[in-house]
Amino acid sequence: GESVGLHLPTLSVQEGDNSIINCAYSNSASDYFIWYKQESGKGPQFIIDIRSNMDKRQGQRVTVLLNKTVKHLSLQIAATQPGDSAVYFCAENIKTSYDKVIFGPGTSLSVIP
Amino acid sequence: GAVVSQHPSRVICKSGTSVKIECRSLDFQATTMFWYRQFPKQSLMLMATSNEGSKATYEQGVEKDKFLINHASLTLSTLTVTSAHPEDSSFYICSARDHRADTIYFGEGSWLTVV
Repeated sequence: GESVGLHLPTLSVQEGDNSIINCAYSNSASDYFIWYKQESGKGPQFIIDIRSNMDKRQGQRVTVLLNKTVKHLSLQIAATQPGDSAVYFCAENIKTSYDKVIFGPGTSLSVIP
Repeated sequence: GAVVSQHPSRVICKSGTSVKIECRSLDFQATTMFWYRQFPKQSLMLMATSNEGSKATYEQGVEKDKFLINHASLTLSTLTVTSAHPEDSSFYICSARDHRADTIYFGEGSWLTVV
């Protein structure tokens, strides 16, 4: 199967601070990117997405930045809260003969109260 | 509420038996569904793309005869793990693409334990 990396980086952030989670993608044919949050034992939960014709998109407390030149994606969480503690995955929609969604390695975010 | 439902959420089976996991889109038609596998503390690994009315497209390294996928209707895809072994124990997650909304929804996953 296909996956971008198999190890889980971790990030610890003080409650109230901003969090930045980074992701590198590899496929130039990717046209759509999604950030997911996964809590222990549950399926991925959609956070925010961005199309390849954009470089920034904002949601409630979250911002996604896309840099196609260096194939880099970031998720910024403002005023991080304990409930934000989870694993965060970036995913890319790769357009080949059919569309498929591939996940990045994930980042474990721990919020320190 | 959930728009993609997986069943069962947890299943234990004996080595050598087969087990089926269902993935249903609840209020939209999904011509495309995806099956992933996730080991503890790792990312989701795409196993196959399930297309309604046609054969699934398997990712490299995934045995199609072991992981049978059937997408017989626009709201249901099934994954059957045949002749299960303990190393097949994992978290299996499906997702479904809603083409009208251009959105992908994930199920809550199914824990498979092979004993």
